Amino acid sequence: AQTVTQSQPEMSVQEAETVTLSCTYDTSENNYYLFWYKQPPSRQMILVIRQEAYKQQNATENRFSVNFQKAAKSFSLKISDSQLGDTAMYFCAFMNQGGSEKLVFGKGTKLTVNP
Amino acid sequence: NAGVMQNPRHLVRRRGQEARLRCSPMKGHSHVYWYRQLPEEGLKFMVYLQKENIIDESGMPKERFSAEFPKEGPSILRIQQVVRGDSAAYFCASSPLKGSDQPQHFGDGTRLSIL
Repeated sequence: AQTVTQSQPEMSVQEAETVTLSCTYDTSENNYYLFWYKQPPSRQMILVIRQEAYKQQNATENRFSVNFQKAAKSFSLKISDSQLGDTAMYFCAFMNQGGSEKLVFGKGTKLTVNP
Repeated sequence: NAGVMQNPRHLVRRRGQEARLRCSPMKGHSHVYWYRQLPEEGLKFMVYLQKENIIDESGMPKERFSAEFPKEGPSILRIQQVVRGDSAAYFCASSPLKGSDQPQHFGDGTRLSIL
């Protein structure tokens, strides 16, 4: 079974600075997808970024980028120029390609952006 | 284009009552996933349904929980004889087809509180 581990329960960063959230996963599969979801205090689940395992190039979405290390099974999220609105829980998630394609989530990292 | 609609947003039940949670997927989406989020935890997969079929229920508790996605109408997650431990946020997600090119879109969740 796949597992996702987020080793940082809480992190904080100053506004406008850069922060990196860690995520590791365990799988024996070769074809899969990785995601970062944001859950603000409103409790919505918002997709931040997605990475296909077969792509070597790291995904980027504006201020959000990932460092995907397939051999190390590592998938970290970098947030540049942090904004107050980035304050949220961040969940790393794994999806195996094929099968039911359910998402497997980590326990989350609570990020606080300080003014 | 309306997103995934879940209702009610908040549901309070007494122990032993039944809880019904509804999910209307995005227009054109025929795949529905239910996840449960316990306090201070990540989301955990419960069940995956397509129209009129349960595809994967490996995350569903064996007793008291059931789910359906009829040909017409929303998907329903039903919890019979609720207990305190059922208190959680229940999220529904939908996708238009199987295949990770179409990431799951989440509803805002139903917060279930058991008195």
